[in-house]
Amino acid sequence: EVQLVQSGAEVKKPGESLKVSCKASGYSFPTYWIGWVRQMPGKGLEWMGIIYPGDSETTYSPSFQGQVTISADESIRSAYLQWSSLKASDTAMYYCARRMGADEGFDIWGQGTMVTVSS
Amino acid sequence: QAVLIQPASLSASPGASASLTCTLRSGINVGTYTIYWYQQKPGSPPQYVLRFKSDSDKQQGSGVPSRFSGSKDASANAGILLISGLQSEDEADYYCMIWHSDAWVFGGGTKLTVL
Repeated sequence: EVQLVQSGAEVKKPGESLKVSCKASGYSFPTYWIGWVRQMPGKGLEWMGIIYPGDSETTYSPSFQGQVTISADESIRSAYLQWSSLKASDTAMYYCARRMGADEGFDIWGQGTMVTVSS
Repeated sequence: QAVLIQPASLSASPGASASLTCTLRSGINVGTYTIYWYQQKPGSPPQYVLRFKSDSDKQQGSGVPSRFSGSKDASANAGILLISGLQSEDEADYYCMIWHSDAWVFGGGTKLTVL
């Protein structure tokens, strides 16, 4: 079964760092792009960026460039979303999602990681 | 103006059909885009429903019933998700998405109520 399993919910303080993970199974991890999508409480979906695990080529949405870092570790079939200094406005659900193929959208989604940033 | 515009809400009766629209901003031609549709139920991640570019270039998501179909209305510059034979389980938020200007762009979502 093709699956993306994300790390658990996090509660952090402003200024803290965080790295959330997305572990893939059931398919060839290096050959499918993995994207990250933010959903703020009660709001819609926002694309943050995408990575190709095979060579770590990464593209960011202009809205998130410089705000987060996306990475991947092919050896453990995992993609990551990282913050160096969290803000309260980073409070949201974060989803990873597999891109179906070249020039394709996302088919498989992780269950989501809720990040709460509060002092 | 947003790239993709979706009505905030839509209501329809069980057994009826619902037509969810995703209107592209003026100057962006729907004919050149593949429209992706996602269903999201409360507390769950989005699920891929289908993609539609043309009658000869479309794809149903795995396990998605044939009651869900995609189309375009060129005159309205919009993508359409048609759900026929509505069931209570179809009640959810629906998002459209396109690849535009080197970025994935989502519509604001439509909350479909089946009552």
